[in-house]
Amino acid sequence: AQRVTQPEKLLSVFKGAPVELKCNYSYSGSPELFWYVQYSRQRLQLLLRHISRESIKGFTADLNKGETSFHLKKPFAQEEDSAMYYCALMGSTLGRLYFGRGTQLTVWP
Amino acid sequence: DVKVTQSSRYLVKRTGEKVFLECVQDMDHENMFWYRQDPGLGLRLIYFSYDVKMKEKGDIPEGYSVSREKKERFSLILESASTNQTSMYLCASSPRQGGQPQHFGDGTRLSIL
Repeated sequence: AQRVTQPEKLLSVFKGAPVELKCNYSYSGSPELFWYVQYSRQRLQLLLRHISRESIKGFTADLNKGETSFHLKKPFAQEEDSAMYYCALMGSTLGRLYFGRGTQLTVWP
Repeated sequence: DVKVTQSSRYLVKRTGEKVFLECVQDMDHENMFWYRQDPGLGLRLIYFSYDVKMKEKGDIPEGYSVSREKKERFSLILESASTNQTSMYLCASSPRQGGQPQHFGDGTRLSIL
């Protein structure tokens, strides 16, 4: 069965500090993984996807199949990064996404 | 840019009422989804549809139904609203081809009194 676990409900860091949001998944096939972000009072939007291997707003995420992880990282957090972050796994069924419970990131000045 | 539009941003209804939430997308996407978003529980899939008149149950379909009469429109129906259905409801769409991300609407915050 597909499952996504985000172990941290809340995460706080100071501006300029590195940040890592953890995501672990359970899936028997070859996974497609995504990170979505929701800023305050805005719609949920795609941040990045593993297949693109790109950096968006300074964030990167590497798929580690051995550890079944897809952690989101940024070397120097900014106040504007404060948001709710969701990790999601695309299963085999018609583009359906399985979401983790989310991590609320707060970056203090 | 993909536009997913939900008909209401805020909605207040009474227990027992039949409630309709509407969602329209303008990108000719085949797949459409309804989620509810609750603090600490993340996004939970209620129903999804991969074609006109087709529907599939998600993880929490009880108390809900859906309608997809046209490709661009996907409606969520609360047959008899209850207070435990007070929540934020999100609609999303995606193309049929595999691996494509979903695009979300602004959400409808529904309160059942």
